[in-house]
Amino acid sequence: DTEVTQTPKHLVMGMTNKKSLKCEQHMGHRAMYWYKQKAKKPPELMFVYSYEKLSINESVPSRFSPECPNSSLLNLHLHALQPEDSALYLCASSLPQGLNEKLFFGSGTQLSVL
Amino acid sequence: AQSVTQLDSHVSVSEGTPVLLRCNYSSSYSPSLFWYVQHPNKGLQLLLKYTSAATLVKGINGFEAEFKKSETSFHLTKPSAHMSDAAEYFCVVSDPGANNLFFGTGTRLTVIP
Repeated sequence: DTEVTQTPKHLVMGMTNKKSLKCEQHMGHRAMYWYKQKAKKPPELMFVYSYEKLSINESVPSRFSPECPNSSLLNLHLHALQPEDSALYLCASSLPQGLNEKLFFGSGTQLSVL
Repeated sequence: AQSVTQLDSHVSVSEGTPVLLRCNYSSSYSPSLFWYVQHPNKGLQLLLKYTSAATLVKGINGFEAEFKKSETSFHLTKPSAHMSDAAEYFCVVSDPGANNLFFGTGTRLTVIP
């Protein structure tokens, strides 16, 4: 299994809603990532988990809350988002030796905040 | 400091003709360099990776890239474009022990039938 599975594929939410994005991989990777990608832009790193511990937070607002409950799962909890947070949210995983390793990306969750 | 410049935001080729997507990098160290492809509404897929072994790197789907240190370039090529190659391509640089990847702004490849 060489896939990273993200759910849901699409999400529309209001600014007062609470929702969660989910990511799952069964490749034994111990590093997992959240990226945000605006239309026609490159992905921007948000968070990195290594061995289920948060190792990088790229100054992301607290309305985004990551969680890594086990080595196969990564969640991104969303609360009180703004319309400018609308984007494609990509999850990725890799071997834990750092970002020189190949990243395996999921297909993303297309988020629209109304 | 690391950075990547993709020289063309959009490249258009006819099916069956060669593809050249240009990338220049800046790095203080011996870099690791990657090319990723992204089809519409999809995640990114690794095409190929350079890590100081052979300077000519072969990837998937017939793509290859040549690392030229003197020119600080890592251009992506393919001898013959296929319709399925139409996508966004990102050149990416990392350095040893880096805690981030540095993405170029992307090149959109259009393949004309």
